[in-house]
Amino acid sequence: EVQLLESGGGWVQPGGSLRLSCAASGFTFRNYAMNWVRQAPGKGLEWVSGIGHSGRSIYYADSVQGRFSISRDNSKSTLYLQMSSLRADDTAVYYCAKSGGRVVTATPPFDYWGQGTLVPVSS
Amino acid sequence: DIQMTQSPSSLYASAGDRVTITCRASQSIRSYLNWYQQKPGKAPKLLIYGASHLQGGVPSRFSGSGSGTDFALTIGSLQPEDFATYYCQQSYITPLTFGGGTKVEI
Repeated sequence: EVQLLESGGGWVQPGGSLRLSCAASGFTFRNYAMNWVRQAPGKGLEWVSGIGHSGRSIYYADSVQGRFSISRDNSKSTLYLQMSSLRADDTAVYYCAKSGGRVVTATPPFDYWGQGTLVPVSS
Repeated sequence: DIQMTQSPSSLYASAGDRVTITCRASQSIRSYLNWYQQKPGKAPKLLIYGASHLQGGVPSRFSGSGSGTDFALTIGSLQPEDFATYYCQQSYITPLTFGGGTKVEI
């Protein structure tokens, strides 16, 4: 059974930093691209970042480019999102989502999701 | 960036109704269109990928159609557990983008 377990969320002040983790199990992690998707309270879904199966191909939404950094450790089956210079509009539930293939634009792009971790950014 | 426009943003329906939600892309995305269902407090769930392919375990009352810029999700006979918010999403190019969502209410 595929499982994705996010951790690392929590309250942070504007300008602060936080690192999210997503521990994966139930599939061969190194064979699949992975993504972070967020959802602000009461709002829709927003793709944040994606990383190819090997970690060499990385993509970001314009809204986080230069502030967030995605990475993966295939030996630990874990995905990361390093977030810095956080703003109030980064407040959201952050979901880890598995791709259906080796690249971020594989079909389907998000076939399994974690339960999400909440990141409130406020002073 | 490719903009995804869903309509309607919300709709009221009854159990047994046939419901159709539409999604339009700002440029051609061929068949790289996916549909998700989200219930309150839960993660989204993949329903349809590649415009018309049913994800494993999803009931056959869900179907998808379209290509290019215009797509639709149809629920053949609405069940009580189908009341949720539905999102379309393009996977043609990055940034991957979602529609604004359609809330299906009683």
